[in-house]
Amino acid sequence: DAEITQSPRHKITETGRQVTLACHQTWNHNNMFWYRQDLGHGLRLIHYSYGVQDTNKGEVSDGYSVSRSNTEDLPLTLESAASSQTSVYFCASSTNTGTGTQYFGPGTRLTVL
Amino acid sequence: GQQLNQSPQSMFIQEGEDVSMNCTSSSIFNTWLWYKQDPGEGPVLLIALYKAGELTSNGRLTAQFGITRKDSFLNISASIPSDVGIYFCAGQSGGGADGLTFGKGTHLIIQP
Repeated sequence: DAEITQSPRHKITETGRQVTLACHQTWNHNNMFWYRQDLGHGLRLIHYSYGVQDTNKGEVSDGYSVSRSNTEDLPLTLESAASSQTSVYFCASSTNTGTGTQYFGPGTRLTVL
Repeated sequence: GQQLNQSPQSMFIQEGEDVSMNCTSSSIFNTWLWYKQDPGEGPVLLIALYKAGELTSNGRLTAQFGITRKDSFLNISASIPSDVGIYFCAGQSGGGADGLTFGKGTHLIIQP
């Protein structure tokens, strides 16, 4: 069955370190998204991609970057982790058919000490 | 940025009761989605709405896309223990590939 996976599921790192969160989908979806979820804020869009070599900034993109070298993967990189980036991160994907329906991965809980 | 106001923030109900929650926005959305999230998991899509005035059911769940395109509601009939979780509305203002704007969630708690 097609699915979307994230790794690691839990990560603890230190302030200033570079961290990369992986997202892999086997739906063959063109569109992929990264959100962060914090208490009191719901889910907020960080970055998104409409296809290979395409990346776009979302609402809360500062301190994050993504790259899209193939259809299946959209890794999220924190260049220099900050305590404010402690959060739960969700990856999602959707088809290019115009329906807008997004399917979410299980999430990565990141703690920055 | 756009904001969705979701209410209520939490609900404490008895098993068997009906549940109603809604989302409103100052902006127009082209798509409304309702998701449920269980602890430690990602949001799971419950219902998707694509046209103003659309009323869609999925089992005991019913959702409507408001005629003004600025609101949506979700009803759950005859609640059961497995309905416990956090329910999120999400709106999409652009085309089908745009990111979603989420409400802050309704935490549903069911007392036996």
